[in-house]
Amino acid sequence: GNSVTQMEGPVTLSEEAFLTINCTYTATGYPSLFWYVQYPGEGLQLLLKATKADDKGSNKGFEATYRKETTSFHLEKGSVQVSDSAVYFCALDAGGTSYGKLTFGQGTILTVHP
Amino acid sequence: GAGVSQSPSNKVTEKGKDVELRCDPISGHTALYWYRQSLGQGLEFLIYFQGNSAPDKSGLPSDRFSAERTGGSVSTLTIQRTQQEDSAVYLCATAPEGGPDTQYFGPGTRLTVL
Repeated sequence: GNSVTQMEGPVTLSEEAFLTINCTYTATGYPSLFWYVQYPGEGLQLLLKATKADDKGSNKGFEATYRKETTSFHLEKGSVQVSDSAVYFCALDAGGTSYGKLTFGQGTILTVHP
Repeated sequence: GAGVSQSPSNKVTEKGKDVELRCDPISGHTALYWYRQSLGQGLEFLIYFQGNSAPDKSGLPSDRFSAERTGGSVSTLTIQRTQQEDSAVYLCATAPEGGPDTQYFGPGTRLTVL
């Protein structure tokens, strides 16, 4: 079946540090890949996405590249801010009979200290 | 414009009672999804409505769970004879169309079964 594995958290960083949150996936076919973010007290919102191999999604200084050869979609940011503190979810849409249904990773809690 | 709204925001019920959770989608969005977010299971897909097509119920955990979408708009998720393991945050998401389109999530309904 389809699955998403995220690096376990929580992750604690100082402001301006470099962030990587690892995400690997298992899926048949050619999935679309997403990062969603949940800020404290708010609902899930899309951070970025990539729909085919070698695509790079980017938003708010965050980037992730769809690597088919390593089945990965790692999230990176060069310099985190306190306001980036949130829970980050990697997800995939496997297409085919799973079209439109997102499979999520377990989520990674990020805390950024001043 | 208005986002996805869900009601109630919190629901506390006794084991064995039935509950109804409501989702009001973004106007014009034809795709509607229900997910469940719980400590033990993370974020899980429950059911998917796309336009007038028959819903994809493949994620419903038992026959105590059902959902309907009236007139292609508002959706109601019903849980009959609630159990303690049903305690979770129930999230609704909608998208302009199905497939790998960005899904817009509501704030969720936190269900607690005593």
